[in-house]
Amino acid sequence: AQSVAQPEDQVNVAEGNPLTVKCTYSVSGNPYLFWYVQYPNRGLQFLLKYITGDNLVKGSYGFEAEFNKSQTSFHLKKPSALVSDSALYFCAVRDGGNAGNMLTFGGGTRLMVKP
Amino acid sequence: DTGVSQDPRHKITKRGQNVTFRCDPISEHNRLYWYRQTLGQGPEFLTYFQNEAQLEKSRLLSDRFSAERPKGSFSTLEIQRTEQGDSAMYLCASSSQTLNTEAFFGQGTRLTVV
Repeated sequence: AQSVAQPEDQVNVAEGNPLTVKCTYSVSGNPYLFWYVQYPNRGLQFLLKYITGDNLVKGSYGFEAEFNKSQTSFHLKKPSALVSDSALYFCAVRDGGNAGNMLTFGGGTRLMVKP
Repeated sequence: DTGVSQDPRHKITKRGQNVTFRCDPISEHNRLYWYRQTLGQGPEFLTYFQNEAQLEKSRLLSDRFSAERPKGSFSTLEIQRTEQGDSAMYLCASSSQTLNTEAFFGQGTRLTVV
């Protein structure tokens, strides 16, 4: 079984400040980790992924995430938030040994960036 | 637009009616997934196709739900005898086994059962 926890329903940050959206996971095999963003009435847009290699992954729109195996975490970060970053963010995991590619999502974190 | 396409975008139906949704994946992607997302929740996996074969189904997929991908291209998701609890956003995604890509999602079909 695999699971994802996003402990914060909402994160508030001022424009220009750094942001962090937290994610922890549980998976029996090698974790493949993903972040997606969802704008109102839209599907999910891929931001970044960790499969293997460097623990710091860089993605779209200036976002990055750090894979921490010992803490089973994959927190999303951005050095300087923009108002346009306000959206719903989902962390997802799949078991690298699972040929089906089925993703398990967290419950989502709403990011609010205030001017 | 070469992304994942879903039709319709919105569907309102009366309880007890049948509905069918269509998904057109990215053309070179051989894997196709259906997820369901209710308000305030993350997407939940429903079913997965590799080419035309349905390889995995969630326990969430009751016998009122059926999905097909007859030629390994587009897919349909049918819900029979809809219930109010079926109201949700139904998301389709596709990925490439060969290229080992992440899943790309469509914009979803929002179903409201009244």
